[in-house]
Amino acid sequence: KAGVTQTPRYLIKTRGQQVTLSCSPISGHRSVSWYQQTPGQGLQFLFEYFSETQRNKGNFPGRFSGRQFSNSRSEMNVSTLELGDSALYLCASSLVQQGLDEKLFFGSGTQLSVL
Amino acid sequence: AQSVAQPEDQVNVAEGNPLTVKCTYSVSGNPYLFWYVQYPNRGLQFLLKYITGDNLVKGSYGFEAEFNKSQTSFHLKKPSALVSDSALYFCAVRDDNQGGKLIFGQGTELSVKP
Repeated sequence: KAGVTQTPRYLIKTRGQQVTLSCSPISGHRSVSWYQQTPGQGLQFLFEYFSETQRNKGNFPGRFSGRQFSNSRSEMNVSTLELGDSALYLCASSLVQQGLDEKLFFGSGTQLSVL
Repeated sequence: AQSVAQPEDQVNVAEGNPLTVKCTYSVSGNPYLFWYVQYPNRGLQFLLKYITGDNLVKGSYGFEAEFNKSQTSFHLKKPSALVSDSALYFCAVRDDNQGGKLIFGQGTELSVKP
C-alpha cells in the first residue's frame, strides 16, 4: 500500500510569489491535514480537510488556503510569499477525521524556501 | 487550550543505555497523548498512544511511555538505546476542544552514540 505522497519535494520561490503544494493520501483515507514545521516553532497545525470540506483550521493568515478533491487528494496554496513562510510543509492522512482515528500517516514533506 | 511541552531540545545517550525523552501536558478533561518519531528527511511516524487504561503503554521499535497523572507527564522510554534510534521525537495531545486535532510539542532531538 503506497504511503502519503507529497510533491514537489523541494521548492524555491521569491517573496511575493505564490505556491501550490500537493498531497495524495493513503488509498481509502478521507482526512488530510497540513502542518508547518520550522526549527523554532515545531509543528503548527494549518488545516484539516475531510470529504472535501475544511473541518478545522489553525491560526494562520488567509494567505494560506487549501482544498480537497473528490479522490481525497489535497492541495495547499500560499499566496504572497514571505520569508517567514520558509518551512517544511507536512501532509498527514487518516481514515476518518482527526479525533476519531488516532493515527496519522505523514508524508515526507515539501521543503519550501522563500528568497 | 490543550498543550504539551518537551523541556529538552536535545538528549544524548550512549548505545545500550536506557533513554528517556520527557513530555508534560496541560489539558482540560481526559488526556489523549501520542508520541511520533521523525527520521532525517522523512515524515513523522506513529510510535504509541495513551487513551485510557494501563499507565505503561508499549509501542513500536521497543519504545514505551509512562503516563503519570499526578505529574501530568508522558515520558517516552526505552531500556536499551540503539544508534538507529537517533531522530527527532514529538509528543502530541489531542485537542477535543478544537475538532480533535493533534497539538505537537517542539520536538526533542535524540542522539545515540556508539
